[in-house]
Amino acid sequence: GENVEQHPSTLSVQEGDSAVIKCTYSDSASNYFPWYKQELGKGPQLIIDIRSNVGEKKDQRIAVTLNKTAKHFSLHITETQPEDSAVYFCAASGGGSYIPTFGRGTSLIVHP
Amino acid sequence: DVKVTQSSRYLVKRTGEKVFLECVQDMDHENMFWYRQDPGLGLRLIYFSYDVKMKEKGDIPEGYSVSREKKERFSLILESASTNQTSMYLCASRIGTGNSPLHFGNGTRLTVT
Repeated sequence: GENVEQHPSTLSVQEGDSAVIKCTYSDSASNYFPWYKQELGKGPQLIIDIRSNVGEKKDQRIAVTLNKTAKHFSLHITETQPEDSAVYFCAASGGGSYIPTFGRGTSLIVHP
Repeated sequence: DVKVTQSSRYLVKRTGEKVFLECVQDMDHENMFWYRQDPGLGLRLIYFSYDVKMKEKGDIPEGYSVSREKKERFSLILESASTNQTSMYLCASRIGTGNSPLHFGNGTRLTVT
């Protein structure tokens, strides 16, 4: 089955800095890669996703890049703000079952 | 907006009790999921359902069962709760047309003593 590795497990940045979270996947048939943000006391919420026919996608301060050859994808957050502090999860799915496999999560801390 | 509602925010149960965790979604989604979230282990899939009356085992189904009698409701059952089932449980739903995002509830934190 699919295996998703996510790094780092914890990321601490100063407000205004950029943050990058990386994930690798094992199944070359995977073709959908969402990112979720989980704030304290809440369930994860989709913030951005990318499909395998696209190399990069942006939405204001966040962007996701995908390298299918290397089987990795990354979340980029620019001009970080304290409200970006949360746990971020990557996931990968495809290959027929469409059941997502999640990374173990990254705790992002943005210091004011 | 899709709303996924988990009936309890916190639950405390005793070892050996039968426990029901309820989840309801309001968007007529075909697919529903139960995940378990533990520190350092991420989200692990317990069971999922493609549609009413259907259920499939996920990665960690041992000690759990599920029920989906109506499209909007997906219940997770712990037949005989044990302390190692103390965890955060997350329900999610998704439209059933292939790869699409999950919509999560806010979770039920279950403590088994």
